Amino acid sequence: DAGVIQSPRHEVTEMGQEVTLRCKPISGHDYLFWYRQTMMRGLELLIYFNNNVPIDDSGMPEDRFSAKMPNASFSTLKIQPSEPRDSAVYFCASTPTVRDRGIAEAFFGQGTRLTVV
Amino acid sequence: RKEVEQDPGPFNVPEGATVAFNCTYSNSASQSFFWYRQDCRKEPKLLMSVYSSGNEDGRFTAQLNRASQYISLLIRDSKLSDSATYLCVVIHNTGNQFYFGTGTSLTVIP
Repeated sequence: DAGVIQSPRHEVTEMGQEVTLRCKPISGHDYLFWYRQTMMRGLELLIYFNNNVPIDDSGMPEDRFSAKMPNASFSTLKIQPSEPRDSAVYFCASTPTVRDRGIAEAFFGQGTRLTVV
Repeated sequence: RKEVEQDPGPFNVPEGATVAFNCTYSNSASQSFFWYRQDCRKEPKLLMSVYSSGNEDGRFTAQLNRASQYISLLIRDSKLSDSATYLCVVIHNTGNQFYFGTGTSLTVIP
């Protein structure tokens, strides 16, 4: 497996534009997470899905952010309209189900570095 | 209160030194614990799990103190290649959410 694949790797956009980030999880993983990382706040969980269903979106900063997972192999995170304070690295990660004390490693994509000017 | 709190550092240590990081967590129902490593401009990757009895992997030792709700990572004989950000992670027993600390930055100096 090629691992978690995110696209684009870098995105520069103007304030007010719509931005769509994409993620392909590892096949067979039934959990998918979207994180945002900044120097000030570290790695923040935005939303996560289990079997394509959003479980917890309490980390989504505001209504400008939305995420979908139409099938087991694809998810999107959309920001519309984008603002300069949205500039960050956005990571997608996938894991299999955690069972007891079993190791369920979170595999991260390489991230999308978003700059909103 | 944050789920997981870490001292952000930075820790600057000479090669060969021993360095320790601590991390506290707020939810006593936390079930699983890990240390991840993140290199500059890269994604986080699993370094090691943390077991109740403590565990060692070469120069790295992880420990868990459930009573005080903290986990630790000890690195012995630091190498230049250990320079990175170390993130502690907890998972609750009520779900599969990975809660990450903000990370502790380590620089090993020649």
